[in-house]
Amino acid sequence: QSVLTQPPSVSGAPGQRVTISCTGISSKIGAGYDVHWYQQFPGTAPKVLIYGNNNRPSGVPDRFSGSKSGTSASLAISGLQAEDEADYYCQSYDRTLSAYVFGTGTKVTVL
Amino acid sequence: QVQLQESGPGLVKPSETLSLTCNVSGYSISSGYYWAWMRQPPGKGLEWIATIYHYGSTYYNPSLQSRVTISLDTPNNQFSLRVTSVTAADTAVYYCARDRRDYYYMDVWGKGTMVSVSS
Repeated sequence: QSVLTQPPSVSGAPGQRVTISCTGISSKIGAGYDVHWYQQFPGTAPKVLIYGNNNRPSGVPDRFSGSKSGTSASLAISGLQAEDEADYYCQSYDRTLSAYVFGTGTKVTVL
Repeated sequence: QVQLQESGPGLVKPSETLSLTCNVSGYSISSGYYWAWMRQPPGKGLEWIATIYHYGSTYYNPSLQSRVTISLDTPNNQFSLRVTSVTAADTAVYYCARDRRDYYYMDVWGKGTMVSVSS
């Protein structure tokens, strides 16, 4: 069950900047737990894009950036490229449920 | 470099028990870290199922807790998941992953294994 809300889809032309929002109730994002982002291509496993709100694992281009404020977070993709077309999921931790929670997912389309 | 690989039956009949195994290479699971299972129904989002610590402590998604069991097989460097009384709603790709409880996220994922529940 997804309890973090994301827009179903976002799109942009190559080179543009797009952002994906991730909103959740106070027991999760607002409770001080970090937000993380995963990128998933069709038929493949999710891959960590951003961890700890704004940290990029080695090998992730700096076109990807994350931020968190209050009870929401966002992922920004600058200089959008065709290879960025994928599904993106946010993830945090729900203190009330003592459970990991994922966002509803956002499909990024490069026009 | 740690790698994870899931294995499972592919097809399970309704009401039966699903058993999945995750083989870990490149790291001894008895040395540390937490280890987790997630799933993703076709065309849908991700769901965390369970996590186990290398000492054996377990954590479950409350929505699935009554039907799932996660366990370690340290001699074979594997961990497993059992799901009882499966229904069509359990049809999904099942992923195993390393659970980083310092930041509360999954940093290394297996490729996933598809499980269909059908008679």
